[in-house]
Amino acid sequence: DGGITQSPKYLFRKEGQNVTLSCEQNLNHDAMYWYRQDPGQGLRLIYYSQIVNDFQKGDIAEGYSVSREKKESFPLTVTSAQKNPTAFYLCASSEQGASTEAFFGQGTRLTVV
Amino acid sequence: KQEVTQIPAALSVPEGENLVLNCSFTDSAIYNLQWFRQDPGKGLTSLLLIQSSQREQTSGRLNASLDKSSGRSTLYIAASQPGDSATYLCAVRPGKGDTDKLIFGTGTRLQVFP
Repeated sequence: DGGITQSPKYLFRKEGQNVTLSCEQNLNHDAMYWYRQDPGQGLRLIYYSQIVNDFQKGDIAEGYSVSREKKESFPLTVTSAQKNPTAFYLCASSEQGASTEAFFGQGTRLTVV
Repeated sequence: KQEVTQIPAALSVPEGENLVLNCSFTDSAIYNLQWFRQDPGKGLTSLLLIQSSQREQTSGRLNASLDKSSGRSTLYIAASQPGDSATYLCAVRPGKGDTDKLIFGTGTRLQVFP
């Protein structure tokens, strides 16, 4: 089945730790995205990538980093600089072009302990 | 700056009712609008995608309309079922500026009771 796989489903981070969220897609999509979802707020864009080895900051990139070394993979690192990382993180992908449909993974819930 | 609003925030209806969810956006310059469903603790499932040149799209019991000039979209659910209970999100892709991202509303939480 084609789709987007995010792992882990649940992740716990201690203060001062960096953690990496995995996102893999087998849809052969060029574009990939990371969104953050908080209760009562709409999804907010963290980073996106339109092509391998290139990515751009979204609206709330501070405290996060990404890489895009392979077309099918777009991992997100939540660094210790992110002061309020507890949230639900969603990865998405789409074909290139503004008229295309976006597809989402099942999400990773990150909690700071 | 494009903003997306969904009203109501929550809706509870008996099974069998036809219902309408609303989505409004402030800038009519959009490429498309997409409706999603989200179950608790889960990711988003794409329901319908309407391009800016289209007026509506249908999938099964779902029908989404788009009135770009007035900045509105509606999602019509016919003969609602308890399995339709979920949060419904709409998102627009701006037609100028940041065309690479989707801008989301905060969703309508729907409960259909037997």
